[in-house]
Amino acid sequence: GAGVSQSPSNKVTEKGKDVELRCDPISGHTALYWYRQSLGQGLEFLIYFQGNSAPDKSGLPSDRFSAERTGGSVSTLTIQRTQQEDSAVYLCASSLVAGRQGGVSYEQYFGPGTRLTVT
Amino acid sequence: ELKVEQNPLFLSMQEGKNYTIYCNYSTTSDRLYWYRQDPGKSLESLFVLLSNGAVKQEGRLMASLDTKARLSTLHITAAVHDLSATYFCAIRNAGGTSYGKLTFGQGTILTVHP
Repeated sequence: GAGVSQSPSNKVTEKGKDVELRCDPISGHTALYWYRQSLGQGLEFLIYFQGNSAPDKSGLPSDRFSAERTGGSVSTLTIQRTQQEDSAVYLCASSLVAGRQGGVSYEQYFGPGTRLTVT
Repeated sequence: ELKVEQNPLFLSMQEGKNYTIYCNYSTTSDRLYWYRQDPGKSLESLFVLLSNGAVKQEGRLMASLDTKARLSTLHITAAVHDLSATYFCAIRNAGGTSYGKLTFGQGTILTVHP
């Protein structure tokens, strides 16, 4: 079946512009995670959604970053007034539920990522 | 603060040799993952280790977990060029508001040469 998809696959933007990154999770997956992979910081967690709610936004690096999820499905990560340090690969992952439920553990499936370059 | 540390960060190996990548983590977790990443690609899940003493093998790769020492190892046997990639370990948050969140190690860039 279809996996996690992300769009665009590559995005080049000028410093100061806003960008939107999209994640389509696997159908029926209630948990959705955004991670960022950059040269300086490695792979780091940004935000986690359970349904349309975000119980943990602790990884968002500044108030220029925001994310939403609608209909318990598609999520959009928005970066306002982009800076060069925002250049990174943004990975999205989804799982049926977050972690464990009813004694059954559920794994995350990663999308291909969006490579963002801020010039 | 939850920390996951890998070493070495860079590993240059000769084909046919054996080597081990180490992953230490700072707090208990209900599972540990090993991922492979090829350049320009996403993460490919290699192993999920659940309990103390767990050992899993796939081809030339073998992963083990010691939860008491908070240590996992990824052992490479008789390396071949196709194993060249970046390898990440990660632990899963087992509760709280970020249930399921993964914390990653820095990654080990493995290069296998003739």
